[in-house]
Amino acid sequence: DAEITQSPRHKITETGRQVTLACHQTWNHNNMFWYRQDLGHGLRLIHYSYGVQDTNKGEVSDGYSVSRSNTEDLPLTLESAASSQTSVYFCASSEQHGGGLVRYEQFFGPGTRLTVL
Amino acid sequence: GNSVTQMEGPVTLSEEAFLTINCTYTATGYPSLFWYVQYPGEGLQLLLKATKADDKGSNKGFEATYRKETTSFHLEKGSVQVSDSAVYFCALKGTYKYIFGTGTRLKVLA
Repeated sequence: DAEITQSPRHKITETGRQVTLACHQTWNHNNMFWYRQDLGHGLRLIHYSYGVQDTNKGEVSDGYSVSRSNTEDLPLTLESAASSQTSVYFCASSEQHGGGLVRYEQFFGPGTRLTVL
Repeated sequence: GNSVTQMEGPVTLSEEAFLTINCTYTATGYPSLFWYVQYPGEGLQLLLKATKADDKGSNKGFEATYRKETTSFHLEKGSVQVSDSAVYFCALKGTYKYIFGTGTRLKVLA
């Protein structure tokens, strides 16, 4: 069965360190997304990609970067981790229809809980 | 811009009670609307969806109707179970992006 996986599931790091969170999907979806989930804020979009070599900033992109070298993976990098980036991170993917998103729901990974000390 | 507002939780109900979680939206055009459910320690799962006005999405006893005139997509279930305890997110999909509400935690007591 197709799926979307994230690793690691839990990560503790120190302020200032570079951290990369992995996201891998076998749905063959063109669209991939990274969100962070914080109490009181719901899900906030960090970065998204509509295909290989395409990346776009979301509403809370400062301090994060992504790259898309293949269809299956969209790693999220925190260049210099800060305590404000302690959160649960979710990766999602969706199918693209025609020239833009039409009606397809997103499929979510299980999440990565990141703690920055 | 697009936005989603859903009722704050937590909502605590007894088993077999009727559930309503309110969701209203602001959007240009005609977005698709979704309800997602998140069980403890897991990612979000699609619960149901509706893509145009007056559509009713349904799944696992949950229902929601796309009401364009009131810009609402309220989630209902006639008889909740303990296993329905989770966080529920209302969401809309605009032209390119998905917008999520802040989530409503539901706790069902036996």
